[in-house]
Amino acid sequence: DQQVKQNSPSLSVQEGRISILNCDYTNSMFDYFLWYKKYPAEGPTFLISISSIKDKNEDGRFTVFLNKSAKHLSLHIVPSQPGDSAVYFCAAFISGSARQLTFGSGTQLTVLP
Amino acid sequence: IAGITQAPTSQILAAGRRMTLRCTQDMRHNAMYWYRQDLGLGLRLIHYSNTAGTTGKGEVPDGYSVSRANTDDFPLTLASAVPSQTSVYFCASSEGGGSRDTQYFGPGTRLTVL
Repeated sequence: DQQVKQNSPSLSVQEGRISILNCDYTNSMFDYFLWYKKYPAEGPTFLISISSIKDKNEDGRFTVFLNKSAKHLSLHIVPSQPGDSAVYFCAAFISGSARQLTFGSGTQLTVLP
Repeated sequence: IAGITQAPTSQILAAGRRMTLRCTQDMRHNAMYWYRQDLGLGLRLIHYSNTAGTTGKGEVPDGYSVSRANTDDFPLTLASAVPSQTSVYFCASSEGGGSRDTQYFGPGTRLTVL
């Protein structure tokens, strides 16, 4: 049973508009969440993270929102650019757990010019 | 350029053969990891090492073994490959200084077991 779920395998957005990628989790012990971005034929790269003591973290065009009561987080990209087209993975972590990340299945974002 | 290298880039392997995937990092990171990525399942942790000389099992360790003789290298061995081990394998490393340190990933090895 997947503890971190990304229910949308793909998302298409027009350039300049907002992209919203969603992630749900089931394990209430998770206290740190990350988003990774992956281009074809490359490894994932870290994008942004959020601690469970916060509900929002912003870095330039990227903002992550956390709703602990709903066990839901989302990544907002504003404005979206064609270079943002990639697979986005949500990941969750339990502090003190030997650094084992649990990943979601990923969402392919396509930003259309 | 500092980072993580993996070899080979891709490999086709007959079932029953032994295979070692290589991973080397030059960032002097303490912790290293092996993941497999399968369609619809994301990345799943196979084995990890918090520091040279120690290893631990991840979510899907069966059929795989690792060793960590030094800080830089973390090879993954399939003793007798099976078709279900067809996947893309990613090695990663992190500083290991805290439980929330960022993991840096290599470019991956695409393995096909026939």
